Amino acid sequence: DAGVIQSPRHEVTEMGQEVTLRCKPISGHDYLFWYRQTMMRGLELLIYFNNNVPIDDSGMPEDRFSAKMPNASFSTLKIQPSEPRDSAVYFCASRTGGGNQPQHFGDGTRLSIL
Amino acid sequence: RKEVEQDPGPFNVPEGATVAFNCTYSNSASQSFFWYRQDCRKEPKLLMSVYSSGNEDGRFTAQLNRASQYISLLIRDSKLSDSATYLCVVRNQAGTALIFGKGTTLSVSS
Repeated sequence: DAGVIQSPRHEVTEMGQEVTLRCKPISGHDYLFWYRQTMMRGLELLIYFNNNVPIDDSGMPEDRFSAKMPNASFSTLKIQPSEPRDSAVYFCASRTGGGNQPQHFGDGTRLSIL
Repeated sequence: RKEVEQDPGPFNVPEGATVAFNCTYSNSASQSFFWYRQDCRKEPKLLMSVYSSGNEDGRFTAQLNRASQYISLLIRDSKLSDSATYLCVVRNQAGTALIFGKGTTLSVSS
């Protein structure tokens, strides 16, 4: 079975530009998570969805960040406008229901804002 | 205080050594505990869950002390392939989101 699929794998853009990161969770998984990883702060949860509904977005850094999940097989994380401090690796993860089910991570998107 | 704290290391050990990583968590109501492994420039992957009674998976042993809010991972007979960053992970009170420590880096040399 295919794992969590993220695109693009790498993104380099200039500050002020809009950035859209994409994620396809594992089929049948009803939870989807967006994380950001930096050397300074480690892996931080940004937002998560259950059955396509955002449940907790308290980790979203500011209004420049938004996330959507229009259906069970697709989610986007958008940054507009982007800033250099947004440079990080962004991971998407999914899992089935049940508290002890493991999360499966995608390969991540390496984002560099110049 | 951060929710999950780990010694960042790096731990540099020779092959065959035994190495232990420690982790503390701040929320006493945390429900589940895990160790994840992350290789350089790769995604985190589940290494093992941590149970109250302690559990072992081959060369890896995990321990949990709820009273002290402390988790440990012991690696015996370390291999070159064990070189990675080990992330201590706690499931939050609501039982859904995972809270990650910043990780402890292990480098095993021949």
